[in-house]
Amino acid sequence: SQQGEEDPQALSIQEGENATMNCSYKTSINNLQWYRQNSGRGLVHLILIRSNEREKHSGRLRVTLDTSKKSSSLLITASRAADTASYFCATASSGGSYIPTFGRGTSLIVHP
Amino acid sequence: NAGVTQTPKFQVLKTGQSMTLQCAQDMNHNSMYWYRQDPGMGLRLIYYSASEGTTDKGEVPNGYNVSRLNKREFSLRLESAAPSQTSVYFCASKVGKDSPLHFGNGTRLTVT
Repeated sequence: SQQGEEDPQALSIQEGENATMNCSYKTSINNLQWYRQNSGRGLVHLILIRSNEREKHSGRLRVTLDTSKKSSSLLITASRAADTASYFCATASSGGSYIPTFGRGTSLIVHP
Repeated sequence: NAGVTQTPKFQVLKTGQSMTLQCAQDMNHNSMYWYRQDPGMGLRLIYYSASEGTTDKGEVPNGYNVSRLNKREFSLRLESAAPSQTSVYFCASKVGKDSPLHFGNGTRLTVT
């Protein structure tokens, strides 16, 4: 069963705009991860944020985590056509296993 | 540095045939995972190996078996393929519990 659920399912923007994707989850987590998948390829890790962290940055990416609301957001600033991809959140639930469980993803299209 | 290598890239099987999907990583990672990706379903865990010598079922293990041959290699076997197993299969690995996954580029399997 899906632990994380991304919202929106699809997002279409113009180059230069910001893109925001959200992830909600159901149970307590150890960490939350964001991945990108280009068409026909494997997933690539973007950012991992731990349960005791609230915000992380990597280049044009900003991830926030609100454990009280069981939600996270991924912000891509100044988007480029090359950012066109599907984005997935994955949660590692509290407990011993740390097994990542994925949501269904957000499909982002950035128009040049 | 090849990362996670999956073979074959594509495969077509007839119902009832068997095959083994191969996965190898050269990053000295402890944990390895097999996921399947279906349209609209995100990634679902089939089996995982937390460390060499151990394997455990994931969310959708029926119809599959796995072997952790050594620290590098984790294979997935379909004993009697069914059309419901048509999917894209991804192998992934990670070095430790609180670390991100590294994915292969997937095997696209069609069962007719």
